[in-house]
Amino acid sequence: EAQVTQNPRYLITVTGKKLTVTCSQNMNHEYMSWYRQDPGLGLRQIYYSMNVEVTDKGDVPEGYKVSRKEKRNFPLILESPSPNQTSLYFCASSFSRLAGVGEQYFGPGTRLTVT
Amino acid sequence: RKEVEQDPGPFNVPEGATVAFNCTYSNSASQSFFWYRQDCRKEPKLLMSVYSSGNEDGRFTAQLNRASQYISLLIRDSKLSDSATYLCVVNGNSNSGYALNFGKGTSLLVTP
Repeated sequence: EAQVTQNPRYLITVTGKKLTVTCSQNMNHEYMSWYRQDPGLGLRQIYYSMNVEVTDKGDVPEGYKVSRKEKRNFPLILESPSPNQTSLYFCASSFSRLAGVGEQYFGPGTRLTVT
Repeated sequence: RKEVEQDPGPFNVPEGATVAFNCTYSNSASQSFFWYRQDCRKEPKLLMSVYSSGNEDGRFTAQLNRASQYISLLIRDSKLSDSATYLCVVNGNSNSGYALNFGKGTSLLVTP
Protein backbone atom coordinates (compact mmCIF):
# COMPACT_ATOMS: atom_id res chain seq x y z
CA GLU A 1 0.00 0.00 0.00
CA ALA A 2 1.32 3.41 -1.02
CA GLN A 3 1.67 5.54 2.07
CA VAL A 4 3.52 8.11 4.12
CA THR A 5 4.20 7.09 7.70
CA GLN A 6 5.13 9.28 10.64
CA ASN A 7 6.34 8.36 14.09
CA PRO A 8 5.48 9.02 16.79
CA ARG A 9 1.84 9.95 16.28
CA TYR A 10 1.64 11.65 19.67
CA LEU A 11 4.43 13.07 21.80
CA ILE A 12 4.54 15.08 25.00
CA THR A 13 7.98 16.37 25.92
CA VAL A 14 9.69 19.05 27.95
CA THR A 15 11.43 22.21 26.86
CA GLY A 16 14.96 21.66 25.63
CA LYS A 17 14.85 17.88 25.19
CA LYS A 18 15.95 17.03 21.67
CA LEU A 19 13.51 15.00 19.63
CA THR A 20 13.15 13.55 16.14
CA VAL A 21 9.95 12.87 14.23
CA THR A 22 10.47 10.32 11.50
CA CYS A 23 8.80 10.35 8.09
CA SER A 24 9.00 7.63 5.49
CA GLN A 25 7.34 7.12 2.10
CA ASN A 26 7.24 4.05 -0.13
CA MET A 27 6.25 5.71 -3.42
CA ASN A 28 9.74 6.66 -4.64
CA HIS A 29 8.81 10.34 -4.50
CA GLU A 30 11.53 12.93 -5.03
CA TYR A 31 9.84 15.70 -3.09
CA MET A 32 9.19 15.60 0.64
CA SER A 33 8.04 18.31 2.97
CA TRP A 34 7.19 19.10 6.57
CA TYR A 35 4.31 21.30 7.69
CA ARG A 36 2.90 22.47 10.95
CA GLN A 37 -0.75 23.26 11.44
CA ASP A 38 -1.99 25.62 14.12
CA PRO A 39 -5.50 26.94 14.77
CA GLY A 40 -6.14 30.13 12.83
CA LEU A 41 -2.85 29.88 10.96
CA GLY A 42 -3.46 26.95 8.67
CA LEU A 43 -0.72 24.76 7.26
CA ARG A 44 2.70 26.34 7.12
CA GLN A 45 5.69 24.79 5.42
CA ILE A 46 8.74 24.21 7.60
CA TYR A 47 11.27 22.60 5.25
CA TYR A 48 11.14 20.75 1.99
CA SER A 49 13.45 18.55 -0.01
CA MET A 50 13.52 18.19 -3.77
CA ASN A 51 15.69 15.08 -3.65
CA VAL A 52 18.40 13.31 -1.67
CA GLU A 53 20.82 15.75 -0.03
CA VAL A 54 18.78 18.74 -1.28
CA THR A 55 16.77 20.65 1.32
CA ASP A 56 15.36 24.17 1.49
CA LYS A 57 13.61 26.36 4.00
CA GLY A 58 9.90 26.90 3.93
CA ASP A 59 8.01 29.68 5.68
CA VAL A 60 8.78 28.77 9.30
CA PRO A 61 12.14 26.93 9.54
CA GLU A 62 13.38 28.48 12.80
CA GLY A 63 13.98 25.91 15.52
CA TYR A 64 13.89 22.93 13.14
CA LYS A 65 16.40 20.86 11.21
CA VAL A 66 15.94 18.24 8.54
CA SER A 67 18.07 15.80 6.61
CA ARG A 68 17.54 13.77 3.46
CA LYS A 69 20.14 11.03 3.33
CA GLU A 70 17.85 8.52 1.68
CA LYS A 71 15.05 9.10 -0.78
CA ARG A 72 12.38 7.47 1.37
CA ASN A 73 13.15 9.20 4.71
CA PHE A 74 12.90 12.82 5.79
CA PRO A 75 13.21 13.22 9.57
CA LEU A 76 12.33 16.43 11.37
CA ILE A 77 14.64 17.34 14.24
CA LEU A 78 13.90 19.73 17.08
CA GLU A 79 17.24 20.33 18.79
CA SER A 80 15.80 22.30 21.69
CA PRO A 81 12.01 22.25 21.60
CA SER A 82 10.09 25.16 23.05
CA PRO A 83 6.39 25.51 23.94
CA ASN A 84 5.71 27.55 20.79
CA GLN A 85 6.53 24.43 18.80
CA THR A 86 3.49 22.69 20.22
CA SER A 87 1.56 21.88 17.07
CA LEU A 88 0.22 19.26 14.68
CA TYR A 89 2.94 18.24 12.23
CA PHE A 90 2.43 16.68 8.83
CA CYS A 91 4.94 15.12 6.49
CA ALA A 92 4.10 14.93 2.79
CA SER A 93 5.65 13.61 -0.39
CA SER A 94 5.09 13.86 -4.13
CA PHE A 95 6.72 13.51 -7.50
CA SER A 96 8.46 16.59 -8.86
CA ARG A 97 7.45 17.94 -12.22
CA LEU A 98 8.64 20.69 -14.48
CA ALA A 99 5.78 22.95 -13.42
CA GLY A 100 6.49 22.35 -9.76
CA VAL A 101 5.34 19.79 -7.30
CA GLY A 102 2.68 17.25 -8.11
CA GLU A 103 -0.11 16.00 -5.93
CA GLN A 104 1.04 15.55 -2.35
CA TYR A 105 0.40 12.57 -0.12
CA PHE A 106 0.30 13.37 3.56
CA GLY A 107 1.20 11.30 6.56
CA PRO A 108 -1.33 10.90 9.40
CA GLY A 109 0.20 13.67 11.49
CA THR A 110 2.18 13.94 14.72
CA ARG A 111 0.65 15.85 17.59
CA LEU A 112 3.48 17.37 19.62
CA THR A 113 3.10 19.06 22.99
CA VAL A 114 6.10 20.83 24.55
CA THR A 115 5.69 21.75 28.21
CA ARG B 1 -0.57 40.39 1.47
CA LYS B 2 -0.74 36.69 2.23
CA GLU B 3 0.25 34.37 -0.62
CA VAL B 4 -3.04 32.49 -0.66
CA GLU B 5 -6.29 33.78 0.77
CA GLN B 6 -9.56 32.02 1.30
CA ASP B 7 -12.84 32.94 2.92
CA PRO B 8 -12.72 30.88 6.13
CA GLY B 9 -16.47 30.42 6.27
CA PRO B 10 -18.08 28.47 7.76
CA PHE B 11 -20.43 27.79 4.92
CA ASN B 12 -23.57 26.11 6.23
CA VAL B 13 -25.65 24.66 3.40
CA PRO B 14 -28.51 22.16 3.19
CA GLU B 15 -28.10 18.84 1.47
CA GLY B 16 -28.51 19.17 -2.27
CA ALA B 17 -27.35 22.77 -2.41
CA THR B 18 -24.65 24.12 -4.70
CA VAL B 19 -21.80 25.91 -2.98
CA ALA B 20 -18.77 27.72 -4.37
CA PHE B 21 -15.47 28.65 -2.77
CA ASN B 22 -12.95 31.13 -4.07
CA CYS B 23 -9.27 31.47 -3.42
CA THR B 24 -6.93 34.28 -4.48
CA TYR B 25 -3.17 34.07 -4.84
CA SER B 26 -0.56 36.78 -4.99
CA ASN B 27 2.22 35.28 -7.12
CA SER B 28 1.44 35.70 -10.79
CA ALA B 29 4.23 33.24 -11.68
CA SER B 30 2.55 30.33 -9.88
CA GLN B 31 1.98 27.33 -12.09
CA SER B 32 0.47 24.57 -9.97
CA PHE B 33 -2.87 24.79 -8.22
CA PHE B 34 -4.79 22.29 -6.16
CA TRP B 35 -7.78 21.84 -3.91
CA TYR B 36 -7.32 19.60 -0.88
CA ARG B 37 -9.90 18.35 1.56
CA GLN B 38 -9.19 18.00 5.27
CA ASP B 39 -11.48 16.28 7.73
CA CYS B 40 -11.26 17.22 11.40
CA ARG B 41 -7.94 16.14 12.93
CA LYS B 42 -7.00 14.20 9.81
CA GLU B 43 -4.40 14.71 7.14
CA PRO B 44 -5.21 16.76 4.02
CA LYS B 45 -6.05 14.72 0.94
CA LEU B 46 -5.97 15.85 -2.66
CA LEU B 47 -9.43 16.60 -3.99
CA MET B 48 -8.42 17.79 -7.43
CA SER B 49 -5.77 19.60 -9.39
CA VAL B 50 -6.81 22.82 -11.12
CA TYR B 51 -6.00 23.14 -14.80
CA SER B 52 -6.03 26.25 -16.94
CA SER B 53 -8.95 24.99 -18.96
CA GLY B 54 -10.96 24.12 -15.87
CA ASN B 55 -11.78 20.58 -14.87
CA GLU B 56 -14.65 18.58 -13.50
CA ASP B 57 -14.80 15.45 -11.39
CA GLY B 58 -18.32 14.29 -10.72
CA ARG B 59 -20.04 16.93 -8.59
CA PHE B 60 -16.87 19.00 -8.27
CA THR B 61 -15.69 21.65 -10.72
CA ALA B 62 -12.47 23.63 -10.43
CA GLN B 63 -11.69 26.79 -12.37
CA LEU B 64 -8.57 28.89 -12.71
CA ASN B 65 -8.56 32.56 -13.67
CA ARG B 66 -4.95 33.62 -14.20
CA ALA B 67 -5.79 37.21 -15.13
CA SER B 68 -7.53 37.79 -11.82
CA GLN B 69 -5.37 35.31 -9.92
CA TYR B 70 -8.11 33.29 -8.38
CA ILE B 71 -9.20 29.68 -8.22
CA SER B 72 -12.68 28.43 -7.56
CA LEU B 73 -14.25 25.18 -6.45
CA LEU B 74 -17.90 24.43 -7.12
CA ILE B 75 -19.71 21.59 -5.38
CA ARG B 76 -23.08 20.59 -6.76
CA ASP B 77 -25.73 18.51 -5.01
CA SER B 78 -23.95 18.72 -1.64
CA LYS B 79 -23.84 15.59 0.49
CA LEU B 80 -23.50 15.33 4.25
CA SER B 81 -20.14 13.65 3.62
CA ASP B 82 -18.87 16.81 1.89
CA SER B 83 -18.61 18.48 5.31
CA ALA B 84 -14.92 19.26 5.74
CA THR B 85 -12.38 22.02 5.36
CA TYR B 86 -11.27 22.76 1.80
CA LEU B 87 -7.71 23.99 1.31
CA CYS B 88 -6.49 25.96 -1.67
CA VAL B 89 -2.84 25.25 -2.53
CA VAL B 90 -0.55 27.19 -4.85
CA ASN B 91 3.10 26.62 -5.62
CA GLY B 92 5.15 29.43 -4.12
CA ASN B 93 7.51 32.08 -5.31
CA SER B 94 10.88 30.52 -4.67
CA ASN B 95 13.19 30.34 -7.65
CA SER B 96 12.66 26.62 -7.92
CA GLY B 97 8.89 26.91 -7.66
CA TYR B 98 8.82 23.99 -5.25
CA ALA B 99 7.65 25.77 -2.12
CA LEU B 100 3.94 25.34 -1.58
CA ASN B 101 1.54 27.77 0.04
CA PHE B 102 -1.68 26.65 1.62
CA GLY B 103 -4.68 28.81 2.26
CA LYS B 104 -6.11 28.62 5.76
CA GLY B 105 -9.06 26.69 4.46
CA THR B 106 -12.78 27.15 4.01
CA SER B 107 -15.03 25.23 6.35
CA LEU B 108 -18.14 23.59 4.89
CA LEU B 109 -20.98 22.10 6.90
CA VAL B 110 -23.71 20.33 4.98
CA THR B 111 -26.87 19.87 7.05
CA PRO B 112 -29.80 17.46 6.58
